[in-house]
Amino acid sequence: DAGITQSPRHKVTETGTPVTLRCHQTENHRYMYWYRQDPGHGLRLIHYSYGVKDTDKGEVSDGYSVSRSKTEDFLLTLESATSSQTSVYFCAISDQGAAFQTQHFGDGTRLSIL
Amino acid sequence: KNEVEQSPQNLTAQEGEFITINCSYSVGISALHWLQQHPGGGIVSLFMLSSGKKKHGRLIATINIQEKHSSLHITASHPRDSAVYICAVSTGSARQLTFGSGTQLTVLP
Repeated sequence: DAGITQSPRHKVTETGTPVTLRCHQTENHRYMYWYRQDPGHGLRLIHYSYGVKDTDKGEVSDGYSVSRSKTEDFLLTLESATSSQTSVYFCAISDQGAAFQTQHFGDGTRLSIL
Repeated sequence: KNEVEQSPQNLTAQEGEFITINCSYSVGISALHWLQQHPGGGIVSLFMLSSGKKKHGRLIATINIQEKHSSLHITASHPRDSAVYICAVSTGSARQLTFGSGTQLTVLP
């Protein structure tokens, strides 16, 4: 299995607090992705990275920021969490873009904003 | 209208049945992916294809680029195949995926 670790796995926090989710990989893959999964919406791309310090927005990027200062770590930050950001968050990695290679997914982070 | 449409949304089958899940898309694509998500949440990539057909064990995936349609078949279904099956396509810069809403498959013993 691809070496992807998401942390934390579960988090409960209050509206207005900052939250950072971490995705760590040991595969040295170029591409890293953050998705959220919600009932009725399926998986949606939040942000992705195609290299160190190279990131781009996805379909649902409002309210989220990301950083990738080294190949192995991709951080997702909710600057001021809102209840609408309650979701399950998945990280994925790929050595090539989605047109050329499958993605490997982490186990997910279940985030509840009260 | 979603770019990626899956059908059916829910499917219940008896063990041993042949199962087909369909995926239609409305845009030009670089590749199509099939994913599996078991209860408890883990997501596994099953196939990536840009033409023709791929087979892995009891799973077969086909794609018809002209008709913008793909199918995932499961032969001799088993209760352990019970999961959500998700279709996704890569478009645009070819770096990212757009997902269908998934098909919940339940295989009864």
